[in-house]
Amino acid sequence: LAKTTQPISMDSYEGQEVNITCSHNNIATNDYITWYQQFPSQGPRFIIQGYKTKVTNEVASLFIPADRKSSTLSLPRVSLSDTAVYYCLVGRNRDDKIIFGKGTRLHILP
Amino acid sequence: DTEVTQTPKHLVMGMTNKKSLKCEQHMGHRAMYWYKQKAKKPPELMFVYSYEKLSINESVPSRFSPECPNSSLLNLHLHALQPEDSALYLCASSQSWSSYNSPLHFGNGTRLTVT
Repeated sequence: LAKTTQPISMDSYEGQEVNITCSHNNIATNDYITWYQQFPSQGPRFIIQGYKTKVTNEVASLFIPADRKSSTLSLPRVSLSDTAVYYCLVGRNRDDKIIFGKGTRLHILP
Repeated sequence: DTEVTQTPKHLVMGMTNKKSLKCEQHMGHRAMYWYKQKAKKPPELMFVYSYEKLSINESVPSRFSPECPNSSLLNLHLHALQPEDSALYLCASSQSWSSYNSPLHFGNGTRLTVT
């Protein structure tokens, strides 16, 4: 698995754009980058996935530079309900397992 | 609402009890997973089923016994658990285990308390 590094926590304010960066220096050719959002006492929810360049959906955008060694999840105009833990997953580990890293705890302030 | 349904939502059991957690999906996914999550920690992989066959067992103690009766159902049988097994148990599915871009779809979990 391309080991991922994310900030442990971030604070932002309602209405702001939030960017969470994930580093994955050892990403493999086959690896996709997938982001999940998790609220307390709920299962993680798939947000967005990409391989290269930029991907956008109704919830977020994902920016991936050409070297693919990092990625940035962008949440436009956040609200209090975006307070959650965000996980960046890249590929699988050498045992072919999908493993979650520690994630980023995002706290949106009024 | 999620497309993966887990029952029960909450379960309290004694250390000598036998209980089962159930998971169901009707998305036609062929891979199903059990994860365990402790408070403020990321989900930890326990088991993976691919086409109803156990593909991965993450050295989980035998007091946890998974079962995949068909492609839509996944069970986790619990027996003689310890208090430290108290956690949120998450079921997930994906289109295919072999596909590298197949995201996981999670249920909302069963909150298990072992007394």
